Amino acid sequence: NAGVMQNPRHLVRRRGQEARLRCSPMKGHSHVYWYRQLPEEGLKFMVYLQKENIIDESGMPKERFSAEFPKEGPSILRIQQVVRGDSAAYFCASSPGTGRETQYFGPGTRLLVL
Amino acid sequence: AQTVTQSQPEMSVQEAETVTLSCTYDTSENNYYLFWYKQPPSRQMILVIRQEAYKQQNATENRFSVNFQKAAKSFSLKISDSQLGDTAMYFCAFSNSGGSNYKLTFGKGTLLTVNP
Repeated sequence: NAGVMQNPRHLVRRRGQEARLRCSPMKGHSHVYWYRQLPEEGLKFMVYLQKENIIDESGMPKERFSAEFPKEGPSILRIQQVVRGDSAAYFCASSPGTGRETQYFGPGTRLLVL
Repeated sequence: AQTVTQSQPEMSVQEAETVTLSCTYDTSENNYYLFWYKQPPSRQMILVIRQEAYKQQNATENRFSVNFQKAAKSFSLKISDSQLGDTAMYFCAFSNSGGSNYKLTFGKGTLLTVNP
């Protein structure tokens, strides 16, 4: 059973470009979570999605960031007009349900904004 | 809001010895979940151990065990017979069991180095 997959593993963008980060959850998991890890910090919750629904986006910056989890295909975290402060590691996790279910993390995408 | 505090930014231990990493948390909830995640140099986040607050028995996974003190809101991780592969950043995390029980709150981490 493959684990959570994220691609790309590393992404370099210039200021003002768009970044698209992809996450394929573990087989059988329908709940996806995105977290951001700034340098020297722990992970911070960004958004929680189920298929075709955003359940909680309270951790998302108000502008430029969006997320989706379509019926078919991976979950996408999209950052428009990136700035240097967006440089971070972005982790996706998945679970079969919520509450008592453990979240399993992907390897992360390291975004570097030049 | 819940907070998680790891007061030891860095620790080191000799191979085969035992080390304990500290974690305290703050919550008004009675039931919740606590986790230790490991992040080796590859940066992958790996679940080490999980504890449910309503269970009094401390969780154990092979060489890893926790000392869960609910009244003191303390959740330390003990690593026995340390191995070089245990070198990693260790994060303590919390989630409540209520409406937003999916939201993990992480501490800032403890960098553990196992020396040969």
